[in-house]
Amino acid sequence: EDQVTQSPEALRLQEGESSSLNCSYTVSGLRGLFWYRQDPGKGPEFLFTLYSAGEEKEKERLKATLTKKESFLHITAPKPEDSATYLCAVRVFSGSARQLTFGSGTQLTVLP
Amino acid sequence: DTEVTQTPKHLVMGMTNKKSLKCEQHMGHRAMYWYKQKAKKPPELMFVYSYEKLSINESVPSRFSPECPNSSLLNLHLHALQPEDSALYLCASSQGGQGFTEAFFGQGTRLTVV
Repeated sequence: EDQVTQSPEALRLQEGESSSLNCSYTVSGLRGLFWYRQDPGKGPEFLFTLYSAGEEKEKERLKATLTKKESFLHITAPKPEDSATYLCAVRVFSGSARQLTFGSGTQLTVLP
Repeated sequence: DTEVTQTPKHLVMGMTNKKSLKCEQHMGHRAMYWYKQKAKKPPELMFVYSYEKLSINESVPSRFSPECPNSSLLNLHLHALQPEDSALYLCASSQGGQGFTEAFFGQGTRLTVV
């Protein structure tokens, strides 16, 4: 069975304190791993797509990396506005459609 | 433009009402999705449309009825809902076809069933 596990469930950082969020997966044939940011009461906002082990993507203070078993979202010198829930999702093939399977998310709080 | 537009933003309905949620995208995407999200939980897939045809129905109760009138529009018709159906309903779209690309989400409809 395809599984996506995110850790930690919650993370509190001081402004400027760098850290990493983890997303580990066991799927039969990864077709893409995606990171999203979600603010309370809003829809997930797309951040990154990773397709193969060794791939890295960066955007402002965020950097996503991918290995054969997990992905990391590195946050460098975070600011309070980075506070949100970060979701990872994997693309699996099911019949004629391709659907996203989400992890349970990491709730990040950055304190000023 | 990566915008998926959902209306209404908020909806309160009684258990005997009939209402519809609407979703629109103009990115030329051929896969569209409905997700349900409860508080502090990840989105749960409800339905997938691929090239305007329903391709996945995740055992959703029949009080939820999806419709894809054309490649840009997706509706979710609601009838005789229960209070436990209160949630954030999210629409998403992606390229579809042979591509395994990212999905873009709308801002959601916050549904409250009273």
